Amino acid sequence: KAGVTQTPRYLIKTRGQQVTLSCSPISGHRSVSWYQQTPGQGLQFLFEYFSETQRNKGNFPGRFSGRQFSNSRSEMNVSTLELGDSALYLCASSSAGYDTDTQYFGPGTRLTVL
Amino acid sequence: QKEVEQNSGPLSVPEGAIASLNCTYSDRVSQSFFWYRQYSGKSPELIMSIYSNGDKEDGRFTAQLNKASQYVSLLIRDSQPSDSATYLCATEGTGNQFYFGTGTSLTVIP
Repeated sequence: KAGVTQTPRYLIKTRGQQVTLSCSPISGHRSVSWYQQTPGQGLQFLFEYFSETQRNKGNFPGRFSGRQFSNSRSEMNVSTLELGDSALYLCASSSAGYDTDTQYFGPGTRLTVL
Repeated sequence: QKEVEQNSGPLSVPEGAIASLNCTYSDRVSQSFFWYRQYSGKSPELIMSIYSNGDKEDGRFTAQLNKASQYVSLLIRDSQPSDSATYLCATEGTGNQFYFGTGTSLTVIP
C-alpha cells in the first residue's frame, strides 16, 4: 500500500504571499491531520478532517485553513505568510478516526518564508 | 500545562546499553499511546503503540504504560547507532486529535 504523499516537498515564498500544500492519505484512510513542526515548538496540531468535515482545530490564526475532498485528499492553505510560518508541515492519515487509531505521516513540506 | 511532557534530553548512551525514554500526560481519559521515531530531516515513523497498563515488547523495544500515574515509557535494549534520533511520545485525545510531546533526542555512541 502506498504511503502518505505530500506535495510539494519544498517551497520558498516571501512574506505576504499565500501557499497551498497538498496531502494524499493512504488508500482507505478517511482522516487527515495537519501539523506544523518547528525546532522550538515541536509538533503542533493545526486541524483534522474526516469525510470532508473539519472535526478538530488547533490554536492557529485564521490565516491557516484547510479542506478535504471526497477522495480524502486534503489541502492546507496559509495566507499572508509571515516569517514565523517557516516550518515543516506534516500531514498524517488514519483509517477510521472513531476509536483507537494510528496516524501515519507523510514526508512533509518544508516551507521557507523570506 | 502541556498535554504531553517528555524529558527533552539530549540523552546519550553507549552502544549496547539500554536507553530509557519517559513521557507523562495530563488527560486522564487518554486511552491510546504511541511512540514515534524521527530522524533528522525526516517525518515521524511509528515504533510502538500501547493501550493497556503494563509492558508491550516488540524486538528491542518495550513500551510501558501506567495509567494511574499517567506515565508511559520506551526502553530500547542493545542500543545501536542507528537508533540515534528524536523520539516523540503521543496520546490520542478527543475524536482523532493527537497530542505530541516535544521529543527526546537520543544519541547512541559507538
